[in-house]
Amino acid sequence: NAGVTQTPKFQVLKTGQSMTLQCAQDMNHNSMYWYRQDPGMGLRLIYYSASEGTTDKGEVPNGYNVSRLNKREFSLRLESAAPSQTSVYFCASNRQGGTGELFFGEGSRLTVL
Amino acid sequence: AQRVTQPEKLLSVFKGAPVELKCNYSYSGSPELFWYVQYSRQRLQLLLRHISRESIKGFTADLNKGETSFHLKKPFAQEEDSAMYYCALSGQGNTGKLIFGQGTTLQVKP
Repeated sequence: NAGVTQTPKFQVLKTGQSMTLQCAQDMNHNSMYWYRQDPGMGLRLIYYSASEGTTDKGEVPNGYNVSRLNKREFSLRLESAAPSQTSVYFCASNRQGGTGELFFGEGSRLTVL
Repeated sequence: AQRVTQPEKLLSVFKGAPVELKCNYSYSGSPELFWYVQYSRQRLQLLLRHISRESIKGFTADLNKGETSFHLKKPFAQEEDSAMYYCALSGQGNTGKLIFGQGTTLQVKP
């Protein structure tokens, strides 16, 4: 099992460009999450999907959109990238109703110039 | 508001010394608390959770509801413990989403 797989691992964008971060999990988990990691800020939740067909905003959703394509896949889209979105993005999944253990991807480092 | 605070950005100790990484939280209900660890070039992974009351890699953490703390402790630090440590709180409902602290980098010197 690959667990949680994110692509791309690295990306450089110019301000105003758009891009989509892809995430897939093969653990048959119901819930999926997107976090961003910034120095001194820890991990902050951008969006989550408690189950297939539902998505909800987290702590810092502005400037992002998400799509829960199916049970396996949860994508994060930046429609018009800004330098403030320079960060490391982590996708995670969880068995719904579980004890809170999240399984994380390797992260995607995004730089917006 | 639900919040997790890790007051130390960096904790540097010598090998064999005791370690305590601090975590304080604010939460109105019964909290579920976790410690996650990120070793260099590895994924963030669960280290331990308070409901299990287990010791992982020599680390323990006790939930103190009176002081709203969940400090991570290890009596004798090893160089391989060097990593970023995050304390996390499970929020209300059944969504599984976690609220993370700012993280503490543990540096264990030889």
